[in-house]
Amino acid sequence: AQSVTQLGSHVSVSEGALVLLRCNYSSSVPPYLFWYVQYPNQGLQLLLKYTSAATLVKGINGFEAEFKKSETSFHLTKPSAHMSDAAEYFCAVSYFGNEKLTFGTGTRLTIIP
Amino acid sequence: DADVTQTPRNRITKTGKRIMLECSQTKGHDRMYWYRQDPGLGLRLIYYSFDVKDINKGEISDGYSVSRQAQAKFSLSLESAIPNQTALYFCATSDIRNTGELFFGEGSRLTVL
Repeated sequence: AQSVTQLGSHVSVSEGALVLLRCNYSSSVPPYLFWYVQYPNQGLQLLLKYTSAATLVKGINGFEAEFKKSETSFHLTKPSAHMSDAAEYFCAVSYFGNEKLTFGTGTRLTIIP
Repeated sequence: DADVTQTPRNRITKTGKRIMLECSQTKGHDRMYWYRQDPGLGLRLIYYSFDVKDINKGEISDGYSVSRQAQAKFSLSLESAIPNQTALYFCATSDIRNTGELFFGEGSRLTVL
């Protein structure tokens, strides 16, 4: 069975500081990995995805994530946080032949002015 | 207009009442899903449908039923609502050619008193 674990249900960073949101996956086959963002009172929208091409994936709004097979990780980063980044972020996994996403429990990101 | 539309956006009801949440999409996708979001639990899959004649239970289907009326319409019913079904419900779609990437509606917030 596939699963993802997001470390830290709440993360706070200062405006302009590095954002690092952690995601580790469990999958017995090569995974597809996703990061979604949910702004208040909105649905989820895709930030970026890894589908077995380049291991460093760039997404919208300056976010990127690196697939590290040896560490079974897919951490999300952004060099400089902006107030508009405050939201909840979800990591998700699927794989070829079972394209139903399994979500992590989410990380709420707070930006400190 | 949104590609994935959910109605109602907010609903307050009483224990024992029957509730239907509706979802329609203009993306032309074959696959549709219903997820439930609870704080600290992330998103959990209730039901999914890969085409009009294909309905499948997800991880938390007890107490729910669905109907796929057309390629573009997928409704979720609570036959007899109970307070622990109070949650934010999301409809989502995906394309069979993708890797499981989901496109979400804006959510339906249900409160059962």
